[in-house]
Amino acid sequence: EAGVAQSPRYKIIEKRQSVAFWCNPISGHATLYWYQQILGQGPKLLIQFQNNGVVDDSQLPKDRFSAERLKGVDSTLKIQPAKLEDSAVYLCASSPRGPHTDTQYFGPGTRLTVL
Amino acid sequence: AQSVTQLDSQVPVFEEAPVELRCNYSSSVSVYLFWYVQYPNQGLQLLLKYLSGSTLVESINGFEAEFNKSQTSFHLRKPSVHISDTAEYFCAVTQKTSYDKVIFGPGTSLSVIP
Repeated sequence: EAGVAQSPRYKIIEKRQSVAFWCNPISGHATLYWYQQILGQGPKLLIQFQNNGVVDDSQLPKDRFSAERLKGVDSTLKIQPAKLEDSAVYLCASSPRGPHTDTQYFGPGTRLTVL
Repeated sequence: AQSVTQLDSQVPVFEEAPVELRCNYSSSVSVYLFWYVQYPNQGLQLLLKYLSGSTLVESINGFEAEFNKSQTSFHLRKPSVHISDTAEYFCAVTQKTSYDKVIFGPGTSLSVIP
């Protein structure tokens, strides 16, 4: 079974530029998560989708971050414009159903550096 | 709101020695608890979780964790570590409500010394 795929693996941009990350979850998984992991900290949930609906985006900085999950499969996370403090690893995860007791399966992450 | 504390950011230990990685949480309601592990150059993966029942849970590679409600702890232990256990370990908590996000601790970096 293929795991969670993310691209790109690395991205370097200057502040005020835009960037987009892509995630393809494990086939058949209903729930998709985007996390931000700043160096030295644990992952912080940005947004959670159940199929193509948003379950939780309470920690998503909506003035600059946006995410979509069209057709309930893959997803894109966008930052526009980027700030220095957005430098982090962006993790995508998926789980089979949706309860918060489900095991989450993580992708390798995208390391973003904002200069 | 719930939170997770992992007091030890780095834990060096010699091969075949025992190890304990500490995790404490705070929550006003009952919780579910998890340990995730991130091996070098790999994504996070679930190591073990406590949902209900026996307070002692085990993983397939010899780790165990015990849920202690009175001390609000979920420490991870292994009696004899291997080089391959070198990784970052994250404790996580979510509240036993209809829905709650999973909150991760800051992580503990375990380095096994040959």
